[in-house]
Amino acid sequence: AQTVTQSQPEMSVQEAETVTLSCTYDTSESDYYLFWYKQPPSRQMILVIRQEAYKQQNATENRFSVNFQKAAKSFSLKISDSQLGDAAMYFCAYRPPNSGNTPLVFGKGTRLSVIA
Amino acid sequence: KAGVTQTPRYLIKTRGQQVTLSCSPISGHRSVSWYQQTPGQGLQFLFEYFSETQRNKGNFPGRFSGRQFSNSRSEMNVSTLELGDSALYLCASSLRTGVMEYGYTFGSGTRLTVV
Repeated sequence: AQTVTQSQPEMSVQEAETVTLSCTYDTSESDYYLFWYKQPPSRQMILVIRQEAYKQQNATENRFSVNFQKAAKSFSLKISDSQLGDAAMYFCAYRPPNSGNTPLVFGKGTRLSVIA
Repeated sequence: KAGVTQTPRYLIKTRGQQVTLSCSPISGHRSVSWYQQTPGQGLQFLFEYFSETQRNKGNFPGRFSGRQFSNSRSEMNVSTLELGDSALYLCASSLRTGVMEYGYTFGSGTRLTVV
């Protein structure tokens, strides 16, 4: 079964600095999708960034970028120029394509605090 | 464009009661998934529906059930509530287009407290 591991339960970063959240996953598939979701205190999970495994280029969305290392099965999220609004729980998630009956698998999450 | 709507937002129930939670997906999304979120267990998959059919079910007891209607709205039901069922229940809809996977769009969840 696929698993997703986030080894950092909590992280903190100074405002305007850069922080990297780690995620590793286990799969025997060669094609799949990876996601980072943000859950602020408002509870709504928001999709931050999406990566297709067959694309070697790392995905980027404004201040958010990933470092996707397929061989190492690593998918870290880098947040640049951190803002107070970035404080939230961040979840890494995995799903194979044509997944049929396979649900999205989430890691346990990393709580990010942003210090003013 | 309206997002995923979950009702109610908060619910307090007594042990032994039953509860029904509702989820209206984004217009055009035919896939609806439900997750239970607790501090200890994180996000655990409950079930997924597509075009009124349950495609997959997580490892939860039979007290947890769901259904999807022809307009893609979904409900989940928990019978004989236990204290351990206290959690945030999240619904997510997605646009399934064969091989492409765009990810889920989540609702704000229903916070269920069992006393």
